[in-house]
Amino acid sequence: NAGVTQTPKFRVLKTGQSMTLLCAQDMNHEYMYWYRQDPGMGLRLIHYSVGEGTTAKGEVPDGYNVSRLKKQNFLLGLESAAPSQTSVYFCASSSRWTSGRIETQYFGPGTRLLVL
Amino acid sequence: GQNIDQPTEMTATEGAIVQINCTYQTSGFNGLFWYQQHAGEAPTFLSYNVLDGLEEKGRFSSFLSRSKGYSYLLLKELQMKDSASYLCAVRDQDGGATNKLIFGTGTLLAVQP
Repeated sequence: NAGVTQTPKFRVLKTGQSMTLLCAQDMNHEYMYWYRQDPGMGLRLIHYSVGEGTTAKGEVPDGYNVSRLKKQNFLLGLESAAPSQTSVYFCASSSRWTSGRIETQYFGPGTRLLVL
Repeated sequence: GQNIDQPTEMTATEGAIVQINCTYQTSGFNGLFWYQQHAGEAPTFLSYNVLDGLEEKGRFSSFLSRSKGYSYLLLKELQMKDSASYLCAVRDQDGGATNKLIFGTGTLLAVQP
């Protein structure tokens, strides 16, 4: 059971380049999330998905797109990278929550992205 | 608006007790989480409160007062490995359908010998 995995672990991009970050989970979770973490800002939600084929915007969605074609995978795309997108990106997944249950989010190891 | 406040940094001594506070103002409330995050690693789940009172889990305890919008994480018998960031997160009204969490900025705890 690998849990939540992310690729790549580290990437350097030039301004204007594009890239896709891949998140995979093997826990059969319905929900998946992409966050960015910056010093002094905490974890901020970029996009999330409550099921295969569905996505929704989070707190800071501009400049990012996502897709969830398979239940176990959640992709985050940067179409034209900007220095402001330099950050650590975390993917997370969870089961559907019902009252009386905890249903914590499980996080991947993160991707460090540097945009020059 | 949504707001979660935690102290930015704290320092404590090995073997001592430390309390990390969290206050929140959110649209509704469906539970509060504490996560631990070591430098360069992913956040990992520590504790959960949804009803008022204290939840104890070994050296870690977490308290919640919903009427005051307040929680704290208590760490006893501090060890050097407890040096990490501690993140407070709330599942608000919207989180009931999406399990979304709103995170505070985290408290960086340094444990000194």
